[in-house]
Amino acid sequence: ETGVTQTPRHLVMGMTNKKSLKCEQHLGHNAMYWYKQSAKKPLELMFVYNFKEQTENNSVPSRFSPECPNSSHLFLHLHTLQPEDSALYLCASSQAPGTSHEQYFGPGTRLTVT
Amino acid sequence: QKEVEQNSGPLSVPEGAIASLNCTYSDRGSQSFFWYRQYSGKSPELIMSIYSNGDKEDGRFTAQLNKASQYVSLLIRDSQPSDSATYLCAVNLTGNQFYFGTGTSLTVIP
Repeated sequence: ETGVTQTPRHLVMGMTNKKSLKCEQHLGHNAMYWYKQSAKKPLELMFVYNFKEQTENNSVPSRFSPECPNSSHLFLHLHTLQPEDSALYLCASSQAPGTSHEQYFGPGTRLTVT
Repeated sequence: QKEVEQNSGPLSVPEGAIASLNCTYSDRGSQSFFWYRQYSGKSPELIMSIYSNGDKEDGRFTAQLNKASQYVSLLIRDSQPSDSATYLCAVNLTGNQFYFGTGTSLTVIP
């Protein structure tokens, strides 16, 4: 266990559904991240939050909407997804920028869009 | 041009041998470098971080960084079957911008 939890672990949703992924970190970190991992591709950084403020949005489609209510919780709201969005979605956390950037990952949510 | 490049493998080594994993990166402004291990069906697990040129050792693992050559490597001594996994190289540019390689698959043969 890395101190980062994610729910649900598996999710199957239709293209018209709305769902949310949840991430919680118990490490006292101040930065949280969403990554997408697809087969045969490198991890893709989607969003970054520092002290609850979004600092990075790497050209992610608007059907993915992040939310960070506090430094310990991160959500990814999903709506009208496409089959190509099926992937492993990973949450990670690290200390504030300027210090160690070691990221610790949660177990991931395996998303299948039908 | 890919930001981080790794040989996808598969790399096979016999048990007890040294496994050598390599990574190159494109941006000279890169500041921090990381190696992650990912078992099939699991999430990445941090093994090593390295920030300055030279070697950094932690148990059976040694990370090597050469910023002039834009090259970072991971050596695994006395390889064990439990080391069989995909190894991801990650690079931090500035702020919170991270780039990962596609990973090298390692198999340690008993």
